[in-house]
Amino acid sequence: AQSVTQPDIHITVSEGASLELRCNYSYGATPYLFWYVQSPGQGLQLLLKYFSGDTLVQGIKGFEAEFKRSQSSFNLRKPSVHWSDAAEYFCAVGPTSGTYKYIFGTGTRLKVLA
Amino acid sequence: KAGVTQTPRYLIKTRGQQVTLSCSPISGHRSVSWYQQTPGQGLQFLFEYFSETQRNKGNFPGRFSGRQFSNSRSEMNVSTLELGDSALYLCASSTTGDTEAFFGQGTRLTVV
Repeated sequence: AQSVTQPDIHITVSEGASLELRCNYSYGATPYLFWYVQSPGQGLQLLLKYFSGDTLVQGIKGFEAEFKRSQSSFNLRKPSVHWSDAAEYFCAVGPTSGTYKYIFGTGTRLKVLA
Repeated sequence: KAGVTQTPRYLIKTRGQQVTLSCSPISGHRSVSWYQQTPGQGLQFLFEYFSETQRNKGNFPGRFSGRQFSNSRSEMNVSTLELGDSALYLCASSTTGDTEAFFGQGTRLTVV
């Protein structure tokens, strides 16, 4: 069955520190992978996506993610966190042709200390 | 380019009532999906419509239904509301359904 695991429910980092949010997936084929961010009471904003090709993808707001097929992972990174990055982050697989739906992880809530 | 618009943003309903939520996709997008977000269950897929046809449906009871109009706007309806239906309902649109989706800000439904 397809699934996405975000092992860290909460992460706290200091402003200016580096960040890595973990994401592992289970999928029968090469998945489409996404990271979304959600601020309180808001919808989801796409940070970046991986369809194929270069396994290191760049996104908005200085985020990047690396697809590692051997580890079934798609971890999100940022070299220097800003206070405005405090939000909830969701990793997702899909939608791929025939499914037309995303499968989301449970999310990681990021807190940034001043 | 306008984003995905969901109306209303907030709703309070009583148990047993029914509710209709609306979603206007990005211009040119023909696929509209709906998700329910709750603290306990996270984000769960409800259904996806493309060119007025439901192509995929999640594991929700028949009280949850939807439709899509010829202009790609979509509505979802929940009948006989239960307390557990309280959630943030998110709509997402994409060009064909198998590319990245763009989400609206959601409708916060509270059932009392």
